[in-house]
Amino acid sequence: EAQVTQNPRYLITVTGKKLTVTCSQNMNHEYMSWYRQDPGLGLRQIYYSMNVEVTDKGDVPEGYKVSRKEKRNFPLILESPSPNQTSLYFCASSPTRNYGYTFGSGTRLTVV
Amino acid sequence: QKEVEQNSGPLSVPEGAIASLNCTYSDRGSQSFFWYRQYSGKSPELIMFIYSNGDKEDGRFTAQLNKASQYVSLLIRDSQPSDSATYLCAVNRFDDDTGNQFYFGTGTSLTVIP
Repeated sequence: EAQVTQNPRYLITVTGKKLTVTCSQNMNHEYMSWYRQDPGLGLRQIYYSMNVEVTDKGDVPEGYKVSRKEKRNFPLILESPSPNQTSLYFCASSPTRNYGYTFGSGTRLTVV
Repeated sequence: QKEVEQNSGPLSVPEGAIASLNCTYSDRGSQSFFWYRQYSGKSPELIMFIYSNGDKEDGRFTAQLNKASQYVSLLIRDSQPSDSATYLCAVNRFDDDTGNQFYFGTGTSLTVIP
């Protein structure tokens, strides 16, 4: 089944403790992206990647890191999480730059 | 000013009616336009995309784009209770200066009443 898989689905952590949210797609898509969704603010792009080793900032990149060492994987790293990063995170992939994204199931992160 | 604006609703329509959802965007350089559906607690799923002015039909869904007025709309014909969800409008611009930026609206909540 063609899909975007992200883990974990739920995560509660403490301020400052480094964490990684994994994302993998099995559709051989070139583009991958991370979004956060917050009430009243909608979906906002954090980072995106156009191919292996090519990444760029989205709308809200501060406090996040990404890497694309393999085409299928695009992990999101929070080096020092803070409570304002409590949110619902989605990973997504797309075959081309102007095609719609396919979203993963989401990761609900709480930073206390 | 937000990049993409949508009326948050809620919009209620009776079963079998036409639901009309609207979206405006601020960047005249936007090139691709999308409608997503998001059920409560689920991830967004792509319904339609449109690149050119005019209408694009897919089953019960029609996307309409007017670049001069900077608006995109989605019509859902013969609305069903299963269409009850939040509908997200998204726009995309890609060029050497800005890269590949996607902007989403905050969504319109639709309820179809049986």
